[in-house]
Amino acid sequence: SQTIHQWPATLVQPVGSPLSLECTVEGTSNPNLYWYRQAAGRGLQLLFYSVGIGQISSEVPQNLSASRPQDRQFILSSKKLLLSDSGFYLCAKTAGRYTEAFFGQGTRLTVV
Amino acid sequence: AQKITQTQPGMFVQEKEAVTLDCTYDTSDQSYGLFWYKQPSSGEMIFLIYQGSYDEQNATEGRYSLNFQKARKSANLVISASQLGDSAMYFCAMREGERNNNDMRFGAGTRLTVKP
Repeated sequence: SQTIHQWPATLVQPVGSPLSLECTVEGTSNPNLYWYRQAAGRGLQLLFYSVGIGQISSEVPQNLSASRPQDRQFILSSKKLLLSDSGFYLCAKTAGRYTEAFFGQGTRLTVV
Repeated sequence: AQKITQTQPGMFVQEKEAVTLDCTYDTSDQSYGLFWYKQPSSGEMIFLIYQGSYDEQNATEGRYSLNFQKARKSANLVISASQLGDSAMYFCAMREGERNNNDMRFGAGTRLTVKP
């Protein structure tokens, strides 16, 4: 199974509030996990990726952080949301170097 | 530096005709993989086709084929016999095989509209 559970589907949060988006995956152990953000009508920006428990690589400086407390769990967090954090957040996994990425259904975050 | 370039923000095609979506990439690795994804308005990302850098033949999957020109570093997606359901955003992506981090980079996307 390549199922990726991502929740919630939509979220409206006030500026300055915290954020926690959770992603859990099924299938092969030790997958590579990714968080992407997509602004409306735009491409996917890689935010974080993880090749193992506790191993996080950040692509862009921002007020977001990621953690991987378990092999199949990837969490995106923020202590204080900004308006610019609004977007569509996608969690993805890959099982091997040349395999395709499988995506969750995404979370549409609106910061107001 | 931009790794994946999709120069067509939007494309229109008549139903039942073929369409080519452009993608060029930049890498110094000899080993890499190229992917195309479809994103309908629902937001889900649907994997379409994969091309490995060492594959000698162009990849094909049903109505999708990849026109891989390694020397030009291009990996254009060809959709034959377009259908109304093909209207969506299309993303080209690349994973560079010689790096340990295995990150996957995406282009800005092309919005395809199929006209009846």
